[in-house]
Amino acid sequence: GESVGLHLPTLSVQEGDNSIINCAYSNSASDYFIWYKQESGKGPQFIIDIRSNMDKRQGQRVTVLLNKTVKHLSLQIAATQPGDSAVYFCAEPNAGGKLIFGQGTELSVKP
Amino acid sequence: GEEVAQTPKHLVRGEGQKAKLYCAPIKGHSYVFWYQQVLKNEFKFLISFQNENVFDETGMPKERFSAKCLPNSPCSLEIQATKLEDSAVYFCASSQSDYTYNSPLHFGNGTRLTVT
Repeated sequence: GESVGLHLPTLSVQEGDNSIINCAYSNSASDYFIWYKQESGKGPQFIIDIRSNMDKRQGQRVTVLLNKTVKHLSLQIAATQPGDSAVYFCAEPNAGGKLIFGQGTELSVKP
Repeated sequence: GEEVAQTPKHLVRGEGQKAKLYCAPIKGHSYVFWYQQVLKNEFKFLISFQNENVFDETGMPKERFSAKCLPNSPCSLEIQATKLEDSAVYFCASSQSDYTYNSPLHFGNGTRLTVT
């Protein structure tokens, strides 16, 4: 069945280092992916998205890479800051805009 | 408003009691979605609305859960006869359309329901 999942449940990085959060998906027909950030006590916040006709998309300090051959995407955060500590989810929309979320990776930033 | 507003922030109910959660979507957004987050890392879709009409209710446990989005009122999610397993954070999200490319979901900060 269709699913979106993450490789690691937790990731700890040093402040200033780059972070890479991975996500695998199973449906080869998936054509749009979104990364969300969820801080403690808050709802998911949109970070960046990518369509399947792209391999890479950059935002402010974040880059998403999409490898359709192996059905894998990653979120890279440059110069990670304490404010980046959160749980990160990849998600893809199903019919009717319903989002299917992956399981989340908790990013901890050490000062 | 510019944010999805959910009330209350916290709700505690004894097992068997009723719980009612409210959501005011962003002004101008026609679609409302409800999600349940039981564990920190998992979201379960419950139901979506297009204006006041149910759009997709495939995730709703229909025996005890109901939801409405009435004109000029906050949307609501109601759980009759709550069970311990209903303890979760319930998130509401809204968007301008069901075509997610152009209108990503905007989430509220959730209602934490604790059933004792």
